[in-house]
Amino acid sequence: AQKVTQAQTEISVVEKEDVTLDCVYETRDTTYYLFWYKQPPSGELVFLIRRNSFDEQNEISGRYSWNFQKSTSSFNFTITASQVVDSAVYFCALSTTQGGSEKLVFGKGMKLTVNP
Amino acid sequence: NAGVTQTPKFRVLKTGQSMTLLCAQDMNHEYMYWYRQDPGMGLRLIHYSVGEGTTAKGEVPDGYNVSRLKKQNFLLGLESAAPSQTSVYFCASSYSWTVDSNQPQHFGDGTRLSIL
Repeated sequence: AQKVTQAQTEISVVEKEDVTLDCVYETRDTTYYLFWYKQPPSGELVFLIRRNSFDEQNEISGRYSWNFQKSTSSFNFTITASQVVDSAVYFCALSTTQGGSEKLVFGKGMKLTVNP
Repeated sequence: NAGVTQTPKFRVLKTGQSMTLLCAQDMNHEYMYWYRQDPGMGLRLIHYSVGEGTTAKGEVPDGYNVSRLKKQNFLLGLESAAPSQTSVYFCASSYSWTVDSNQPQHFGDGTRLSIL
């Protein structure tokens, strides 16, 4: 069975603080994809990053960085120097290939509030 | 590009009424999905389709039916609405893994449905 756990449900920080969002996943597949999506207060889902199970290279993109570690089944997301506009619910997701279709299993989300 | 368009954006129904949510995509994607989002639950897959004329059940299919008569459209039907179906519904689409394994699912902006 596929499962994604976001242990943190809500985090509140002050602007310019760094914040790391944790994600732990479970899967028996050897090929899988991991995602982070952002859902701002307006409600739409914004794709942030996708990583496949064979690519453990961590990445930095502007103020965002990702740490993928297969050994601990974790795919953590860090925002450096947070801004008020980063306030949103962040979802970690895992894709399975059951039935040949890329289906996403989502974590329950983590609400980030960045205060000025 | 319109991407993924969901119609309607909001709807209030009475228990027992029926309705259909429409999802349209203009990216020629093979795969389409319907998710529901409930507070504290993340997004859960209702039904999905790997191509025109095919549909399959997801994690929470009970009470819903779907149809994919045209490649660009994926309809979600509620035959007899129940208060437990009050939720935000998201449609998504993607290429098949054999076509492009690097593209994520593209989501619509959601339909907020209330069942009284």
